[in-house]
Amino acid sequence: GIQVEQSPPDLILQEGANSTLRCNFSDSVNNLQWFHQNPWGQLINLFYIPSGTKQNGRLSATTVATERYSLLYISSSQTTDSGVYFCAVEANTGGFKAIFGAGTRLFVKA
Amino acid sequence: EPEVTQTPSHQVTQMGQEVILRCVPISNHLYFYWYRQILGQKVEFLVSFYNNEISEKSEIFDDQFSVERPDGSNFTLKIRSTKLEDSAMYFCASSGTGQDEQYFGPGTRLTVT
Repeated sequence: GIQVEQSPPDLILQEGANSTLRCNFSDSVNNLQWFHQNPWGQLINLFYIPSGTKQNGRLSATTVATERYSLLYISSSQTTDSGVYFCAVEANTGGFKAIFGAGTRLFVKA
Repeated sequence: EPEVTQTPSHQVTQMGQEVILRCVPISNHLYFYWYRQILGQKVEFLVSFYNNEISEKSEIFDDQFSVERPDGSNFTLKIRSTKLEDSAMYFCASSGTGQDEQYFGPGTRLTVT
């Protein structure tokens, strides 16, 4: 089945810093989503981005489907950005299921 | 804004007992899913459900698991005889179509003792 790899696995930032999280996938996909898992365990939808670029406030994401990767940019990080960021893809080989990467654990220091 | 809801938020049960986890998907969505996340690990797909039947299931979704849409609003996951290793956060999700964005509920944390 499709493989989803995220990097880096862990990231520590000073408040105000910028960062880029990466998601690589091994096969063509129908869709790709980025989630933030907050300290209470909730999965918050950030972006639905099978291709192209989207921005929402300090966050933006780019997916280059032909090269099988997506990037999540966090600018001017805040302590509330801490948590785990997951990329999830739905393979274009039939079936409706999201395959998650292992996540990037982000800690933003005040 | 419409959202997926799940009850209970936390369930503690003894090994061997049956549990039912409940979800109310977004009202105009047609596809429903269950996922689980063992503490500290990634989110894993269990099952997808469309038109009152299972569309796809993972190898985790064995005979102890079942899903049902008992009425027009609820979607349930039943675990027949719980094991210690079933302890996890269980997420319900829904989407308008099979390739649309999936919206996740807040999860039910299941603890099997």
